Amino acid sequence: NAGVMQNPRHLVRRRGQEARLRCSPMKGHSHVYWYRQLPEEGLKFMVYLQKENIIDESGMPKERFSAEFPKEGPSILRIQQVVRGDSAAYFCASSPRTDANYGYTFGSGTRLTVV
Amino acid sequence: GQQLNQSPQSMFIQEGEDVSMNCTSSSIFNTWLWYKQDPGEGPVLLIALYKAGELTSNGRLTAQFGITRKDSFLNISASIPSDVGIYFCAGQTSGSRLTFGEGTQLTVNP
Repeated sequence: NAGVMQNPRHLVRRRGQEARLRCSPMKGHSHVYWYRQLPEEGLKFMVYLQKENIIDESGMPKERFSAEFPKEGPSILRIQQVVRGDSAAYFCASSPRTDANYGYTFGSGTRLTVV
Repeated sequence: GQQLNQSPQSMFIQEGEDVSMNCTSSSIFNTWLWYKQDPGEGPVLLIALYKAGELTSNGRLTAQFGITRKDSFLNISASIPSDVGIYFCAGQTSGSRLTFGEGTQLTVNP
C-alpha cells in the first residue's frame, strides 16, 4: 500500500534548463495537488488536478510552469527555463475525493536546486 | 489572499514539558488541519478538525477548532525527543486548496 510517490527526490538544474517533477498518487486516488515550499516557509498551493483535467491552477505562476495528470501515468509538474528563484521543495498530495476533509496524503517532495 | 498567522515561530523546551501553539486568521475556515514535517520529508497529518468548537485528541496531541472558525490551537503534552520537527496549521474553505501557516519549529532537549 504505497503512499504518494515523488521522483526524483533531488533535482539539480542549470539556469535555463527544464525541470520535470513526477508524482504518482496513492492507489485509488484520482485527485492530485501540487504545493511549493521555500526555505523557512509554509507550503503554498500551486495547482489541483483530476485525471486529464486542471481544476484550479490559481497558484501557478503564469509563465514557465505547467502541470498535467494524464489518464495513464503520473502527474507531471514542468518548469521551463528555470531560474534561481525556482529553487524550492515541491510537494505533491493526493486524495480520493474532492473535499478531502480528512486531509491530504503528501509525498516526500522533490527538492529542486537551480545553479 | 487568505493568510494564517502561526505562533510561536520556534520553541525550545525540555523533555517532559507541555507545548502549545496556535494559528489565527482573518478569514473563516471550514476545516482546520495540523501537520508535522520532519527534515527532508513531506508533511504528515496529525489531527483534522471539522466543526467549530470541536476538541480532538490523538495520543498526546490535542487540538481545538475555534468557535469563531478563525483560529485553532495544538497542544502536545509530556514532550519527547521525537516530537522535534516543524508543525504547520492549515485551513480549508471550499474546494480542496489548503492554506498553510508558516510553521512552528519545535526543539526538545533531552
